[in-house]
Amino acid sequence: DAGVTQSPTHLIKTRGQHVTLRCSPISGHKSVSWYQQVLGQGPQFIFQYYEKEERGRGNFPDRFSARQFPNYSSELNVNALLLGDSALYLCASSLWDNSYEQYFGPGTRLTVT
Amino acid sequence: AQRVTQPEKLLSVFKGAPVELKCNYSYSGSPELFWYVQYSRQRLQLLLRHISRESIKGFTADLNKGETSFHLKKPFAQEEDSAMYYCAHKAPHGSSNTGKLIFGQGTTLQVKP
Repeated sequence: DAGVTQSPTHLIKTRGQHVTLRCSPISGHKSVSWYQQVLGQGPQFIFQYYEKEERGRGNFPDRFSARQFPNYSSELNVNALLLGDSALYLCASSLWDNSYEQYFGPGTRLTVT
Repeated sequence: AQRVTQPEKLLSVFKGAPVELKCNYSYSGSPELFWYVQYSRQRLQLLLRHISRESIKGFTADLNKGETSFHLKKPFAQEEDSAMYYCAHKAPHGSSNTGKLIFGQGTTLQVKP
């Protein structure tokens, strides 16, 4: 198993545009969480999905949305991009919604110009 | 609000010296605490969990509820320990964000030869 995979690796967008980031969890894992990591800071929780339902939401504006598909992969969508959305977006998968260990992907580096 | 604080951005020690990476948390109940590590060009990964009380790669961390601390320690640092270390707190089971990890800002450990 390749572990958690994320695509794309890097992305450059312009202010006001929309972006979709993708994540495939480890086989058998049913929970996916999204984190934003701004340079110099720790990851910040955005969303958790489990069995295609939202199980948690962090303190992010409604411009951020996500969903989980029947195969447990997930997408994170960000509308009306701002310069401050530039960050590394991490996806983490776990077996259950309350599993203590989360397995992180390599991240997608988003740059908004 | 739950918060995790790592007061040092950078900790630089010589090989063979003891290491202590500081972590303080704010949570009134029974915390579930972790240390995650990110080696150069690798993914964020779990190092240890306070409940397991294991020693991983020579590192240990003791929960001190009185001081609300969970410092990471190793008696003799090795060059391969050089990495970014994050302390994290997990929202308790039954809370609205049960799978959410709250990370500190991270401490870069640099072990010099």
